[in-house]
Amino acid sequence: NAGVTQTPKFQVLKTGQSMTLQCAQDMNHEYMSWYRQDPGMGLRLIHYSVGAGITDQGEVPNGYNVSRSTTEDFPLRLLSAAPSQTSVYFCASSYRGPTEAFFGQGTRLTVV
Amino acid sequence: AQSVTQLGSHVSVSEGALVLLRCNYSSSVPPYLFWYVQYPNQGLQLLLKYTSAATLVKGINGFEAEFKKSETSFHLTKPSAHMSDAAEYFCAVSGDNDMRFGAGTRLTVKP
Repeated sequence: NAGVTQTPKFQVLKTGQSMTLQCAQDMNHEYMSWYRQDPGMGLRLIHYSVGAGITDQGEVPNGYNVSRSTTEDFPLRLLSAAPSQTSVYFCASSYRGPTEAFFGQGTRLTVV
Repeated sequence: AQSVTQLGSHVSVSEGALVLLRCNYSSSVPPYLFWYVQYPNQGLQLLLKYTSAATLVKGINGFEAEFKKSETSFHLTKPSAHMSDAAEYFCAVSGDNDMRFGAGTRLTVKP
């Protein structure tokens, strides 16, 4: 039982590059979300999805795009990377709505 | 919008001592509240949750939390700390569409 799988685990980008962080869950969860974790700031919500085809913005959506074409996958796209996007990114899923979230292992992103 | 505030970014206790991590919430509706734990270089793991069924909630690894509406608090406790409890702990509150986290409290356990 894989749970929530994030790839890659580590990534270094140059300013202005774009990339996609992958997230997949095998628990048939309706709700998925992306957070970024920065020291002293806890986790801040970037985007979330309540089901396939439905996404919405969280607290800090600027510079990021998401889509949800299937129940299982919820990729996060950085359009033009900036040093301020250096962070650890976590994907999470839950059965229905934002409760009892299961988290992936995280992606540590550095933008130089 | 719901929010939580964790009091104290760092807490240090001796092994065997009481652990108390503080969390206060703000919510316009009865909240769903959570405590998560994060070990180094790992994702978050659910410790316990409050969903209005009982005010004293027991979780994994001997932790428990008490919901106090009058104080808008949801503090996490453990009677006797173990070295393996060293980690970062996050309080969270969920609304209709999102879950908001506190800034976290790093727990250090001294031998």
